[in-house]
This record gives sequence, structure tokens and C-alpha cells, in this order.
Amino acid sequence: QSALTQPASVSGSPGQSITISCIGSSSDVGNYNFVSWYQQHPGKAPKCLIYEVSNRPSGVSNRFSGSKSGNTASLTISGLQAEDEGYYYCASYTGRSTRLFGGGTKLTVL
Amino acid sequence: EVQLVESGGGLVQPGGSLRLSCAASGFTFNVWSMNWARQAPGKGLEWVSYITGDMRTIHYADSVRGRFTISRDNAKNSVYLQMNSLRDEDSAVYYCARGLQAALDFWGQGTTVTVSS
Repeated sequence: QSALTQPASVSGSPGQSITISCIGSSSDVGNYNFVSWYQQHPGKAPKCLIYEVSNRPSGVSNRFSGSKSGNTASLTISGLQAEDEGYYYCASYTGRSTRLFGGGTKLTVL
Repeated sequence: EVQLVESGGGLVQPGGSLRLSCAASGFTFNVWSMNWARQAPGKGLEWVSYITGDMRTIHYADSVRGRFTISRDNAKNSVYLQMNSLRDEDSAVYYCARGLQAALDFWGQGTTVTVSS
């Protein structure tokens, strides 16, 4: 099963907002509200930012928000900060009871 | 404080076996599902396996089904991944992660598995 499709890289300046897309299919993103997003800094473990499309775990900044339309999920980061630089991954539950990650997006804060 | 600590990684020859362990603390372990995920060097994340708290439901990625076995011991607050018939492409950092619905809400720091002759 192919990974969900994410842009390889995005960039933004401090204070700006950016959006990362995650394109799946009717077998995963489009059929289940079980999309999640993760942040990973180099050499570190991933951190969950969003679960069930738009819910934030306790302690995650409200600058991070998630949404979904059809087969595409999105992560928006508002008020971009230097510490937001890193890699971002989406994931979805699938019709085969598996979880599928996206290929990852590198965020650069200019 | 939630803590997940993986162990058991190392160097193994192709075709060999390895058993990973993950010790959990800071939450009521037996009511939470657990996952294993991995990340090959310089690559993205890949989900590997899932087990519910009551051990009634287990899922595997196609890439490991039939070779890997997930299990847990709720008395020891631990989850395991038995890896058999290892291949070069199984080389990765292996993470255990707590399951929140279909998400992985808290991750350990990982243990490195290298499959090489």
C-alpha cells in the first residue's frame, strides 16, 4: 500500500501561517475520521500534534490545527516559530485495519 | 509522566531473529492499545503493528505479517515485538507508541535494529 502523499517541503517566515496537505484515497483518509499528524525533530522521537482529524492532545499548542475535505487532510501551523522547523507526517487508519503514514514534509522556517 | 523505554535492538544477520521490548510507566497500561512503528535511516515513518489492551485484536503491516509477532504482558507493563526472518530492509529505529484511537499519541525514544551480514 502506497504512502499518503505529502509535499516534500514547505517554508514560511516567522509569524506566518503554513498548511501541509496529505492526500489519500477513499480507502483511508476519505472514509475515516482517523487522521493524525506528527512532528519530528532530527534525531528525536515523533510527537503527536493532532488525532481524529482535528483534536489536539493535551499540551499541544493551539497554533496547530487539522482539517479534512474528501480524500485530503491538512495541517495548519499559525504564528510560525523557529522551533516549528522539522519534519511533519500525516497518518490515517485504513480499511484493512492498518495505519498508513505519509512520506513526510520538511518545514523550513526562513 | 508517561514513559516508554524500548530495548533489545542490535546487529543481526539476514534471516536471524530479534525480540524488542518496551517498558511502559505513568499510565494504566492494560487499558491502552500499543503500537510498534519504525523508521529506516533517512526515511519516513512506517507503522508496523498494533495490539489492544485486552490482546483480543492484533494487526500487522503487510511488510511484516507472518514474520513479526506483537505481544504484551500487562502484569509487567510491557509490550514486545518478536522479529523473525529478518531482512536488510527491516533495518530501522523501532519505536513503541501508545495508541489513542487510531493515532499514536506518545512515543518512546526508539531502539536501533541493523540487519547486515
